[in-house]
Amino acid sequence: GAGVSQTPSNKVTEKGKYVELRCDPISGHTALYWYRQSLGQGPEFLIYFQGTGAADDSGLPNDRFFAVRPEGSVSTLKIQRTERGDSAVYLCASSLTGRALETQYFGPGTRLLVL
Amino acid sequence: GNSVTQMEGPVTLSEEAFLTINCTYTATGYPSLFWYVQYPGEGLQLLLKATKADDKGSNKGFEATYRKETTSFHLEKGSVQVSDSAVYFCALPGYQKVTFGIGTKLQVIP
Repeated sequence: GAGVSQTPSNKVTEKGKYVELRCDPISGHTALYWYRQSLGQGPEFLIYFQGTGAADDSGLPNDRFFAVRPEGSVSTLKIQRTERGDSAVYLCASSLTGRALETQYFGPGTRLLVL
Repeated sequence: GNSVTQMEGPVTLSEEAFLTINCTYTATGYPSLFWYVQYPGEGLQLLLKATKADDKGSNKGFEATYRKETTSFHLEKGSVQVSDSAVYFCALPGYQKVTFGIGTKLQVIP
C-alpha cells in the first residue's frame, strides 16, 4: 500500500517568507509525527498528533513553527518568518495508534533551503 | 533525558567486508533500542529492534545485541554488499518520540 508522502520534496525560499510543508500519512494511522533533520545530524522530534490534536509539541523550537491536522489525516507544518537556520530536511512519520514503541513509518522528507 | 551516541562516519568498506557501527545510549529504565536505515532518496526504515537486555535484533543479515551492562547496541554484518550503502541511525524510542543518533554513512565499494 501507499506509504507516507510529503510535498514538496524540495522548497527554496527567502529569509522572512512563510512556508507550508504537507504530510500525507498512511491511511488509517491515527498518530502523526514531525521531525527535523539538520545537515550531519539525526532527526529531532518536533511535534506529535493523536488524531486532530497535538498531543506533544515540546520539540517545536519557537513560536514561528506551527502544525495542524484538522481532519486527523493530512498535516501541514507551517513556518513563519523563515530564517537561514531553518534550512533542514523535515520528516513526517505516522503510526497506527501512537502506542509507545510502535513502529513509525517515515516519509522521504521535504528539503527546505532558506536563502 | 535520553541520548544516543553513535560513531561518526563515513565508513567505507569493500564488498564482503565485516561491518560494525558502534552505538551507546543513556536512558532511565529499560528502553527498547532500534536501528533505522535511510537508503539514498528514500525515507527512514526500521531495520531491526530489541526490546530487552540480551535480545538480539536481526534483519537482512544485520544483527545488534542489546547489552545493558555496557549500554550498547552495536550494529554488525558479516559480509556487506554494495546495496547496503546507506545511512544508519541508532535510535531510542520514548513514549512517542524517538531519539536518534547522528547517523553513520556507509559506502560499500565493489
